[in-house]
Amino acid sequence: AQSVTQLDSQVPVFEEAPVELRCNYSSSVSVYLFWYVQYPNQGLQLLLKYLSGSTLVESINGFEAEFNKSQTSFHLRKPSVHISDTAEYFCAVIPVYSGAGSYQLTFGKGTKLSVIP
Amino acid sequence: KAGVTQTPRYLIKTRGQQVTLSCSPISGHRSVSWYQQTPGQGLQFLFEYFSETQRNKGNFPGRFSGRQFSNSRSEMNVSTLELGDSALYLCASSLGGERNEQFFGPGTRLTVL
Repeated sequence: AQSVTQLDSQVPVFEEAPVELRCNYSSSVSVYLFWYVQYPNQGLQLLLKYLSGSTLVESINGFEAEFNKSQTSFHLRKPSVHISDTAEYFCAVIPVYSGAGSYQLTFGKGTKLSVIP
Repeated sequence: KAGVTQTPRYLIKTRGQQVTLSCSPISGHRSVSWYQQTPGQGLQFLFEYFSETQRNKGNFPGRFSGRQFSNSRSEMNVSTLELGDSALYLCASSLGGERNEQFFGPGTRLTVL
């Protein structure tokens, strides 16, 4: 079984300041890692994902996340946030192999990012 | 390409009733997953269907059931509704592999009175 912990439920940050949203996971098998974003009254949108290769992955809107296997972490960062980044962010994992528990995303509880003008 | 659609978007029911939610995946996607989102429990996996077969099931009571049709559209049914079933129900479609992105619909907001 997998579990995901997002250490901060709410993160307020001033516009143009940097931000880090923390995510740690636990799993007995290898996993793929994802960050999703949810805007009010909407579904989830994939922000970025780590499947293999370079441990640093980037999104088109300036976010990046680094997979750290030894610390079982996948923290999300942005060097300068905008008002439009205000949303809830979810970290998620899915097992790599095909077997029990596969094909299902296990989510963290989410982090609400509030960007203050 | 049209995205994942869910109907209805909002639903109000009373305890003891049953409800059916519908999800139409992206064209060509054969996998549909259902998730329940509540403020207390967060996002929890209900079940996943691939080519009309349930491949995976989460830890929910038997009152929650689903099915998938030959055109990949999926329905989710909840019988004997309880107050705690009030939630946003999200469905996601994908090509079906672990590496494939799951695309989420806007959700159905179910309120049980």
